[in-house]
Amino acid sequence: EIVLTQSPATLSLSPGERATLSCRASQSVSSYLAWYQQKPGQPPRLLIYDASNRATGLPARFSGSGSGTDFTLTISSLEPEDFAVYYCQQRANWLRTFGGGTKVEIK
Amino acid sequence: QVQLQESGPGLVRPSQTLSLTCTVSGASISGGGYYWTWIRQHPGKGLEFIGYIYYSGSTYYNPSFKSRVTISVDTSKNQFSLKLSSVTAADTAVYFCARDIQYGSGGLDYWGQGTLVTVSS
Repeated sequence: EIVLTQSPATLSLSPGERATLSCRASQSVSSYLAWYQQKPGQPPRLLIYDASNRATGLPARFSGSGSGTDFTLTISSLEPEDFAVYYCQQRANWLRTFGGGTKVEIK
Repeated sequence: QVQLQESGPGLVRPSQTLSLTCTVSGASISGGGYYWTWIRQHPGKGLEFIGYIYYSGSTYYNPSFKSRVTISVDTSKNQFSLKLSSVTAADTAVYFCARDIQYGSGGLDYWGQGTLVTVSS
């Protein structure tokens, strides 16, 4: 099983600030990594796929980078609607796994 | 617009079998190219992959569920289903169905709203 470790667990920031979220894999997942955003009472929403590709309609303030074992999701300037929980997920092997999540909260 | 909708009992007795169905609209399961997936989320916790099925009936299950899980597909109804046997309180969770890309670029691009299943006597 590929274990994904996200850090930090919580990120306290103000609107307009830059958010940098990390996801580290226990073994290489190549570029088969996605990022999701989840708000309370809603299903996760695909943001980034294959490490750096934005999903349709995703604002340009969201960007993903990395390959192998280290990945980053960056939100260049936080909007009020961006405060949520973010998960990374790999599809490098049959057993899909998710990271534990990073909560981005308002400071 | 692709939509997925989970349905099934919200309350299941311990040791019984949890059964959920996901109805897909706006896309044809038999069209291929996607894995039709079940994921769950314990209250206030992270996401856990359960397994998926391809339109042909090929399946993959998370080994952590051992032999308790079965996913099936009914292409005539454009539905796929989850059965989880011998449930305990630890199976209380929100269950999501979702579409996952088989090959090429993509991710879990469409999700159902999720359904809360409580295991209690």
